[in-house]
Formats: sequence, structure tokens, C-alpha cells
Amino acid sequence: SQTIHQWPATLVQPVGSPLSLECTVEGTSNPNLYWYRQAAGRGLQLLFYSVGIGQISSEVPQNLSASRPQDRQFILSSKKLLLSDSGFYLCAWSVGQGGYTFGSGTRLTVV
Amino acid sequence: GNSVTQMEGPVTLSEEAFLTINCTYTATGYPSLFWYVQYPGEGLQLLLKATKADDKGSNKGFEATYRKETTSFHLEKGSVQVSDSAVYFCALEGPNAGKSTFGDGTTLTVKP
Repeated sequence: SQTIHQWPATLVQPVGSPLSLECTVEGTSNPNLYWYRQAAGRGLQLLFYSVGIGQISSEVPQNLSASRPQDRQFILSSKKLLLSDSGFYLCAWSVGQGGYTFGSGTRLTVV
Repeated sequence: GNSVTQMEGPVTLSEEAFLTINCTYTATGYPSLFWYVQYPGEGLQLLLKATKADDKGSNKGFEATYRKETTSFHLEKGSVQVSDSAVYFCALEGPNAGKSTFGDGTTLTVKP
């Protein structure tokens, strides 16, 4: 079956510290992969998407970056976190026009 | 470009009331349309979808019909339950697949 794993579930990090969030997909090949951020009580903001290994498109200029070292692995990183980076981060995958499958999310609080 | 406009919330209903959440879209070509649901503290889950005009998507008592003439995909449920309290997102995906376009979400609260 197709599943998506996202971790950690919650994270509290100080301002200026690095960040690494990981997402892995099982049961499908060559998926499109996405990172979204959701501020409290707000909609979804697309941060990055990838259509293949090493292919990353950035939607919003910021201090975050993404990498796709393997077909089913998508990593969100930052060298130095800002307070404004706090939010709920969601990874998702899709194949064709079947819709997205989302991970369970990471609640990031930058203090 | 593509866009999705959802009914603004929050929406508060009593249990067993009828639910409608409006969604209209702008897109080139013939997109696929989706409704997602997000329960508190969780990721989004695909609720239902429709891939062509006049298709009706349905799941868990929810329904939505792809209306090309009015570019709409309104979500309906005949009798809501407290457990339906969540945020609902309307979305479209263009005919060439790839990125979806999401609405801003509508928060539904159902009171006993």
C-alpha cells in the first residue's frame, strides 16, 4: 500500500538553529513531492515541489531549502531559523491526477 | 492562472443540519476537482474528487458535483455530525497534472 512518513511530529527550535525535516514515501515510484506550510488558522502555502530526483522548484523566496536525494525522499532544511518560520509543515505526494496524499505534519515552533 | 475561491468561514451548524460549502474555480482546460478535510492537528485527507463535468464525487455522506457551466464544486452533506468538525479545502489540478491549487479552507464546527 502507499504511505507517507513525515517526522518529527513536533519540534521546538531556537532562533538561528538549523532545521531538517524529512519525508519518505512508500508504495509508489517517481511521485511528485511537495512541501507546504500552514500558519495557524490559515490556508496552505506551497514552499517547494519536485518532479524528480534533484529537481526542486521554489515557490516562495525565504531562508528554507529543499532537496530530493532519492526518488521517494524529500527533505526541508534551513541553516538558520527565524521566528517567522514557525508553523505546521506538511509533506505530500501525487501521481497523475489522483489528488494528493499528505503526511501527518510537523508542528515547528521557533523560540 | 488557476484559482479556487471558497466560502469564507467559520461555519457553525447544529448536529443533523444540512451543510453546503461553496467552491468556485477558474482554470484553463478541464481540471480535476477535489475536496480535502483536515481534522485538528492532522494533515489533509482526500475526501472526494471528480475528474470531468457532471461527475459526482461522494464519500462518508459528503457529495460534490462538477459543474462546468457554473465552474463550481460545492460540498454538501445532508446531516452533519459533531465528528465532521474540521477544516475543508477545495482544490483543482490542471489537465497536465502537477501542482494543485487550493482554496483558503473553510472551518466547520458542528455543535451537539
